[in-house]
Amino acid sequence: QQQVKQSPQSLIVQKGGISIINCAYENTAFDYFPWYQQFPGKGPALLIAIRPDVSEKKEGRFTISFNKSAKQFSLHIMDSQPGDSATYFCAASKLWGQNFVFGPGTRLSVLP
Amino acid sequence: DAGVIQSPRHEVTEMGQEVTLRCKPISGHDYLFWYRQTMMRGLELLIYFNNNVPIDDSGMPEDRFSAKMPNASFSTLKIQPSEPRDSAVYFCASNSRDRAYEQYFGPGTRLTVT
Repeated sequence: QQQVKQSPQSLIVQKGGISIINCAYENTAFDYFPWYQQFPGKGPALLIAIRPDVSEKKEGRFTISFNKSAKQFSLHIMDSQPGDSATYFCAASKLWGQNFVFGPGTRLSVLP
Repeated sequence: DAGVIQSPRHEVTEMGQEVTLRCKPISGHDYLFWYRQTMMRGLELLIYFNNNVPIDDSGMPEDRFSAKMPNASFSTLKIQPSEPRDSAVYFCASNSRDRAYEQYFGPGTRLTVT
């Protein structure tokens, strides 16, 4: 119940395309869902996050879609750029900001 | 702010040796987290502290692992004795109650146990 599943494991997208990464969770007690971005040799950094009281959140080219009934959420990267090439982790937490459970990660490559 | 500082950045040691990883959280942050990242298991939370007190250590894999936070600006993660399966990247992260929605990660320590 503590798991967060994430797919795909890897993703290759052409520059300008849309990247979509999906996550699913089981524990309905989770109430905070962030996405972290990690570049090689660096620690993860918060990209965007959502609470379950909204169905969508958009920040620039990045959008989280949240489906509470299906217990699923996804990250959409519009107009993907080579600089977006990184590993993306979804996560979930029962306590706002504490005790995260991370998904296994998606390695995104955006081709020029 | 310098961000979360970890040392060393790389550590190579032989099986059976003691390893100590160090972390300096961002000043003013009252939560500190230790994570381990491997290809097989992804990013795992090992332990976290609030105001220097360990809150949840259920992720610590076994008694060979221990973590301390003697003051608000310093924490250690110790492995004794180390084993090859401990090879991983260890991250420290911190945040504060008033910005609890974001954890700030350090650059990590890459540990190799031969």
